[in-house]
Amino acid sequence: NAGVTQTPKFQVLKTGQSMTLQCAQDMNHEYMSWYRQDPGMGLRLIHYSVGAGITDQGEVPNGYNVSRSTTEDFPLRLLSAAPSQTSVYFCASSEQGWSGNTIYFGEGSWLTVV
Amino acid sequence: DQQVKQNSPSLSVQEGRISILNCDYTNSMFDYFLWYKKYPAEGPTFLISISSIKDKNEDGRFTVFLNKSAKHLSLHIVPSQPGDSAVYFCAASARNTGTASKLTFGTGTRLQVTL
Repeated sequence: NAGVTQTPKFQVLKTGQSMTLQCAQDMNHEYMSWYRQDPGMGLRLIHYSVGAGITDQGEVPNGYNVSRSTTEDFPLRLLSAAPSQTSVYFCASSEQGWSGNTIYFGEGSWLTVV
Repeated sequence: DQQVKQNSPSLSVQEGRISILNCDYTNSMFDYFLWYKKYPAEGPTFLISISSIKDKNEDGRFTVFLNKSAKHLSLHIVPSQPGDSAVYFCAASARNTGTASKLTFGTGTRLQVTL
């Protein structure tokens, strides 16, 4: 998981609270993305970015907001947390012309919404 | 609509034997396939990949086979070792459609290698 740093690792939120999951990479990668993993399901794409200033929705974007003001950072915002957003969140980055071994995942952020 | 399916949620194999993990996909636009290994409390780590122009790719104990006509791929681990015990995710991407690094994951198979 070298090069992709996620914070915080664990967080408990109350319903309706807002928070930001941080993701930073130091590999100058153009592509960054956020996934969530739920029991019995694979990782599902929330939002992704192909470069600074450019973001797009993935498979499950509702309830989440992203921005990409710099190449290094790709924060994921929960504006009003809901119990359905209890999940493990993974950030990933990769370079243009990526192959399997050039996609890097962070270690994950465990979020519980009560 | 699950575009990438791993129908076996778990698999138990004896040490030294072969582990075969299966994956099926439905989207014919997928042209690149990956296997990830995931330990608890860690992020997925890349294991092996295969492009749709190939039908086999080998890396040490790990071999991935792709059957495009059946939309099926499999991961073979020979010989299986206790350290291989983890959850294995199959993932697919349509790299040639300009969708960047969007990966579609299967639901995972938990492999347990017993002594």
